[in-house]
Amino acid sequence: DQQVKQNSPSLSVQEGRISILNCDYTNSMFDYFLWYKKYPAEGPTFLISISSIKDKNEDGRFTVFLNKSAKHLSLHIVPSQPGDSAVYFCAASFGNEKLTFGTGTRLTIIP
Amino acid sequence: NAGVTQTPKFQVLKTGQSMTLQCAQDMNHEYMSWYRQDPGMGLRLIHYSVGAGITDQGEVPNGYNVSRSTTEDFPLRLLSAAPSQTSVYFCASSYDRTSTDTQYFGPGTRLTVL
Repeated sequence: DQQVKQNSPSLSVQEGRISILNCDYTNSMFDYFLWYKKYPAEGPTFLISISSIKDKNEDGRFTVFLNKSAKHLSLHIVPSQPGDSAVYFCAASFGNEKLTFGTGTRLTIIP
Repeated sequence: NAGVTQTPKFQVLKTGQSMTLQCAQDMNHEYMSWYRQDPGMGLRLIHYSVGAGITDQGEVPNGYNVSRSTTEDFPLRLLSAAPSQTSVYFCASSYDRTSTDTQYFGPGTRLTVL
């Protein structure tokens, strides 16, 4: 039972354009959502998060949007850069504890 | 400040062998955890610890043991390795259990069980 789903295993975007990564969840008790970025042969690193009391959080080129009624969140990267090529995991939790991860989306930025 | 370190980076085991994956952090973090990453499954929590002497099970604990005798170290033991335990294992730490947004991951151990 996959409670956090990333339905796109891969995504290719031209450099300079917007990258949009999507994530759906099924458990309405989740109240904290995070995005992690992972390069090959490295551990995931925290990117950005959002609490369920908000619908948007911005940090530089990265914005996370949360639609609670649709149980959907998305990560927007604008503009996309070659260094953004990585695997992105979304994760959800109750009160920022014990993360449940999605399956990941491999983002490739095309120069 | 080394962050979270894991050893070994790679390991091949035969079915039935035992081994310990080492994890250490030098940030004085109370919360430490072990995840496994499998294709199409994301990262799944195996065991976690909220402080020295305290451990608890995560989502997929069967076949694994942990202990936390010091704040710094959180080893993961495979008692009798099975091919289903072939995976990439990540150790992570954070200040406390409610700080997963500042959770630091180690570089991972790639384990193959034949």
